[in-house]
Amino acid sequence: GNSVTQMEGPVTLSEEAFLTINCTYTATGYPSLFWYVQYPGEGLQLLLKATKADDKGSNKGFEATYRKETTSFHLEKGSVQVSDSAVYFCALSSYGQNFVFGPGTRLSVLP
Amino acid sequence: NAGVTQTPKFQVLKTGQSMTLQCAQDMNHEYMSWYRQDPGMGLRLIHYSVGAGITDQGEVPNGYNVSRSTTEDFPLRLLSAAPSQTSVYFCASMAPRGGVYGYTFGSGTRLTVV
Repeated sequence: GNSVTQMEGPVTLSEEAFLTINCTYTATGYPSLFWYVQYPGEGLQLLLKATKADDKGSNKGFEATYRKETTSFHLEKGSVQVSDSAVYFCALSSYGQNFVFGPGTRLSVLP
Repeated sequence: NAGVTQTPKFQVLKTGQSMTLQCAQDMNHEYMSWYRQDPGMGLRLIHYSVGAGITDQGEVPNGYNVSRSTTEDFPLRLLSAAPSQTSVYFCASMAPRGGVYGYTFGSGTRLTVV
């Protein structure tokens, strides 16, 4: 079945540092890939997505590229802020199948 | 505002009590689901529905019932609450299952069973 693997963290960075959160997946067919973010005490919000190979999703300075050859969808941001502290979930969706989430990566950004 | 609305936001139950967590969406989404989120466990699928009148079990269905009489509503019922059901519950919807738009999540219900 489909699955998602991501680094579990926690990840602690200083403000303005570069962020990478790795995500790899296993799926049949051509899934859509997503990153969700969960701020403390809130629900999950869609951060970005990519629906086909080589697509780049981007939002709020975050980027991720759908790499079919390496089955990866790594999340990156060039300069993190304290306000980026949250839990980040990688996920995939295939037509007719339930969503599959990774375990989440907690990011803490220190001033 | 369009989206997924969950009520209540917080609830404390005694062991053995029953209750219903409400979920409503106004986006005409076909697919709705319930997740629970526990520390270190990520999100686990409880039940889901691909449309009105159709429900199915997810990964952790025991102790929970659902029904889907309308497209908009997808309530989750706890039949006899147990401390193991202390968790944060999220309802989510999507159109359709496996679609490219992803899930829209509610803000969650934090449930404590004592």
